[in-house]
Amino acid sequence: GESVGLHLPTLSVQEGDNSIINCAYSNSASDYFIWYKQESGKGPQFIIDIRSNMDKRQGQRVTVLLNKTVKHLSLQIAATQPGDSAVYFCAETSTGFQKLVFGTGTRLLVSP
Amino acid sequence: ETGVTQSPTHLIKTRGQQVTLRCSSQSGHNTVSWYQQALGQGPQFIFQYYREEENGRGNFPPRFSGLQFPNYSSELNVNALELDDSALYLCASSLMEDSTDTQYFGPGTRLTVL
Repeated sequence: GESVGLHLPTLSVQEGDNSIINCAYSNSASDYFIWYKQESGKGPQFIIDIRSNMDKRQGQRVTVLLNKTVKHLSLQIAATQPGDSAVYFCAETSTGFQKLVFGTGTRLLVSP
Repeated sequence: ETGVTQSPTHLIKTRGQQVTLRCSSQSGHNTVSWYQQALGQGPQFIFQYYREEENGRGNFPPRFSGLQFPNYSSELNVNALELDDSALYLCASSLMEDSTDTQYFGPGTRLTVL
């Protein structure tokens, strides 16, 4: 559903490692997916998006993979830096549809 | 920064009061969506405004209402505040005619209801 628990999954990595954050989305009709980064006390910040006609998209240090068969999305961050520490959310929607549905966030902690 | 601004930054109200939150959309965007984010949770869709009309609504009661103005800025009004309304309220702007539908978020307004 759309509600998530109070205790966010946490991924702890060392600076320089590659990070992989996973997300299971709920609606097989969704055709547009976005990853957001949210730092404490701030609004979600757009990182990267992908449409359902693609299975991979790369940005600067980030890659999003989409597996529609199992309704799974992942965000890969290369050479993770302390500034990447934040909560990461995936969001799904359908083209022309109004609302974003957010998944369970994952807290990324990067140690120097 | 996204260019989406919200005011005020923080607000404290008591149960039963009414509150108005404001959002200015990014230049060139014509659509504003509002979300409620409770502590430790993901944002939940309240409603969206396009061309000054409500264009979709989530599972929120009628005491949550909104407006969009000709300059595309928007207000969120909440009447008869309840303790559970305490949350971060986020607005996001987008361009309806843009096929990407990407929504860009403002910094949010932190509402505390006592």
